[in-house]
Order: sequence, then C-alpha cells, then structure tokens
Amino acid sequence: DAKTTQPPSMDCAEGRAANLPCNHSTISGNEYVYWYRQIHSQGPQYIIHGLKNNETNEMASLIITEDRKSSTLILPHATLRDTAVYYCIRSFGNEKLTFGTGTRLTIIP
Amino acid sequence: SQTIHQWPATLVQPVGSPLSLECTVEGTSNPNLYWYRQAAGRGLQLLFYSVGIGQISSEVPQNLSASRPQDRQFILSSKKLLLSDSGFYLCAWVKVSKGSYNEQFFGPGTRLTVL
Repeated sequence: DAKTTQPPSMDCAEGRAANLPCNHSTISGNEYVYWYRQIHSQGPQYIIHGLKNNETNEMASLIITEDRKSSTLILPHATLRDTAVYYCIRSFGNEKLTFGTGTRLTIIP
Repeated sequence: SQTIHQWPATLVQPVGSPLSLECTVEGTSNPNLYWYRQAAGRGLQLLFYSVGIGQISSEVPQNLSASRPQDRQFILSSKKLLLSDSGFYLCAWVKVSKGSYNEQFFGPGTRLTVL
C-alpha cells in the first residue's frame, strides 16, 4: 500500500515545465512528502521533500496544497535526461519508504 | 563522501541454487540499511531493513534472508532460488539523525535472473 496516488504516465515537451501531481489525502500531520526518481536500470535518486511549505532546490520545486492532501513536483525546464519514473512517497523521515508504481515521465524532443 | 557498492551487477542462476548478494557502504557509520526488490515493470518492494549489526527486520514472507555481519555490510541470501525471485535488487542506506529528514541513497543494483 503506497498510500499515494499518481498518474501512471505523462509526456512533456523538452524545455517546458513538467508538472507531476500526487494525491496523499490521508497524510498525517508529521509525515513528509518525498519525491524520488528512477532512471531506467538505475537505483532511485532523491529529488526533494517537504512538510508544509513549498520547497525548491537545484533539481525541482515542490508545491504542497494548504490542506496537504496533494502536491505537485515541478521540473522547470525538462530535458531528455529527466525521462524517468517519478515516485511520490509519504514518510515520517527516518524509516523505510514505501514505493508505489510512480509516474513514468517521458520528455519529448 | 559516502558511497554504496553492490555486487555482482548481474547474475543468472538456476532454480534451486543458492544466492548471496552483497552490499557495502563507505564513508559513514551506523547507517540504516535496506534491501528492495523490483520485479519487471513494477515498483520497489522493501524486503529487509537493519538498524544495526545483527538486527534484521523482514517486511514480506519469502525464501530470502538477510544478514548484517558488520556495520556497513548487508547481505541478501537464499538457500534455494525460485523463478519468482528474479528481479532487480537494490540496497540503500540512510544516516539516521534526530530531527531531520533522511534521504535514502541507493546502490547501482543487481539484476538477478532465475532460469
């Protein structure tokens, strides 16, 4: 039970912003939202995490709704190397992660 | 800097044969360690995790076992492989610290094919 819901696949044009949604309507107050991505045949890579506030780092931005029931990962200028499966995960922080099936993002040239 | 190693990178084994996959972490101490499996076209499934030497927690019933003989070494084993054991095995580590999130770092993985 991944406890989050994501669309199975999305396409995005190269150079455009990729917006990946995630539903976590039953998230508890002290659970974080984590995003990882997995490029084909590699281990997952951490992208970003957040609790309540929006977050931004060198890879992406994370927008969390005020009620915390959903979030959106934004890749501002998608490149072909961003083609991967993106996982949205809720976790208390230092425990095991439960990965769902994620969203397969394909960047179109 | 920290690094995580897994070997072998690929492995083809007959049904009923034993298995030993090794994972080692460098550059940190007392990490939490994890074994995941990813079947073809599926998400990652947590198999085992360890918070210290000799401490193993199993997440799913199966014919696999794990051991942690040293602080930074995590081993996945089986006495007799099944066809359903085929998959991509990933080891991960986390440095536990109070009051802060803990990013998991994943190894390069071992692709196991059981024939």
